[in-house]
Amino acid sequence: DAGITQSPRHKVTETGTPVTLRCHQTENHRYMYWYRQDPGHGLRLIHYSYGVKDTDKGEVSDGYSVSRSKTEDFLLTLESATSSQTSVYFCAIGQQAGQPQHFGDGTRLSIL
Amino acid sequence: GQQVMQIPQYQHVQEGEDFTTYCNSSTTLSNIQWYKQRPGGHPVFLIQLVKSGEVKKQKRLTFQFGEAKKNSSLHITATQTTDVGTYFCAGLVYNFNKFYFGSGTKLNVKP
Repeated sequence: DAGITQSPRHKVTETGTPVTLRCHQTENHRYMYWYRQDPGHGLRLIHYSYGVKDTDKGEVSDGYSVSRSKTEDFLLTLESATSSQTSVYFCAIGQQAGQPQHFGDGTRLSIL
Repeated sequence: GQQVMQIPQYQHVQEGEDFTTYCNSSTTLSNIQWYKQRPGGHPVFLIQLVKSGEVKKQKRLTFQFGEAKKNSSLHITATQTTDVGTYFCAGLVYNFNKFYFGSGTKLNVKP
């Protein structure tokens, strides 16, 4: 498997608190993605990055922000978590746009 | 709204039976990828189709990309219990650098 590490793997927090999820890669891939997975919806893109400090929105970006200060790290932040953001979050990496993506093991986030 | 639709949502088969899942896009795709996710796991890349009408095979799996590059299918011949999981298609829409995933087909195989 590609060198992708997501942290934390599990988190339970309360509504209104800030949450940051981290994705770390050792593959030096240019593209990094954040998805959320919910029953019946498959994987939905939140944000993606095509280089250091270069990011763009996905289809469900409201309530989320991202940052990429280094090639290897892509952070996803929920500024004020809501119960609707309870989900499994996957990070993925890809060498180029349109190329196969390699996924991390996911973070299970519960917001009470 | 969701740009890539996938059916069926669930499929239960007896071991040895065939299985097919279909993806349809409202817009023309640059390419389409297929992924498999085992229960409790993460999606794993299976294959990518790029050309109109392309057909690729991986052992018992056959992947097709439609002539209009708006639909695709994955067919598994003689399913085995190791095929259990959820199969996703992901379509790359022209002029966008992001994939739209189908909602997935969850395959259960009874031994």
